[in-house]
Amino acid sequence: EAGVTQFPSHSVIEKGQTVTLRCDPISGHDNLYWYRRVMGKEIKFLLHFVKESKQDESGMPNNRFLAERTGGTYSTLKVQPAELEDSGVYFCASSQGGQGNSPLHFGNGTRLTVT
Amino acid sequence: GNSVTQMEGPVTLSEEAFLTINCTYTATGYPSLFWYVQYPGEGLQLLLKATKADDKGSNKGFEATYRKETTSFHLEKGSVQVSDSAVYFCALRFTGGGNKLTFGTGTQLKVEL
Repeated sequence: EAGVTQFPSHSVIEKGQTVTLRCDPISGHDNLYWYRRVMGKEIKFLLHFVKESKQDESGMPNNRFLAERTGGTYSTLKVQPAELEDSGVYFCASSQGGQGNSPLHFGNGTRLTVT
Repeated sequence: GNSVTQMEGPVTLSEEAFLTINCTYTATGYPSLFWYVQYPGEGLQLLLKATKADDKGSNKGFEATYRKETTSFHLEKGSVQVSDSAVYFCALRFTGGGNKLTFGTGTQLKVEL
């Protein structure tokens, strides 16, 4: 079984540019999550999809961030325009169920550097 | 709100040394507690968990006990190996909260020969 796949693994962009991160969850997993770790701080929740619907987007920092999951398969997280403070590692995770007894599988993350 | 506090790293130990990474939490109620590990170049993996007070989670020689009275979930291992070098994250989650985790800042462990 393929794990959660994230692309790209690294991205370096200039302030003001746009970047799109992609996450392919494990096949059959309806629940998809985005987290990020900024500057060695704690990993913070961004949002949660159930299929194509946003279940909880309380962690999205501002309207420069747009997450989509068209068709309920892969998801994208777009940052436009990027700011310096957006640098960090963006993790995607998926689970079959949305409750705590359903194991959460993480991808390797995308390291975003905004210069 | 809910929060998790971990000891600052990096922690550098010699192989076969005893490891403790402290973790305390602040939460209204009784969450489930987790330790995740991130090995170099890899994603986060669940290391162990405990779902109620006095439960002990264990895996790969690591242990942590859910202490309600001290709101702690310290990670321990009796004899570390070079292969244990990684970043360790303590986290909590509430039942009914889906898989929404609250993480600590992570503690980097480096084990040397």
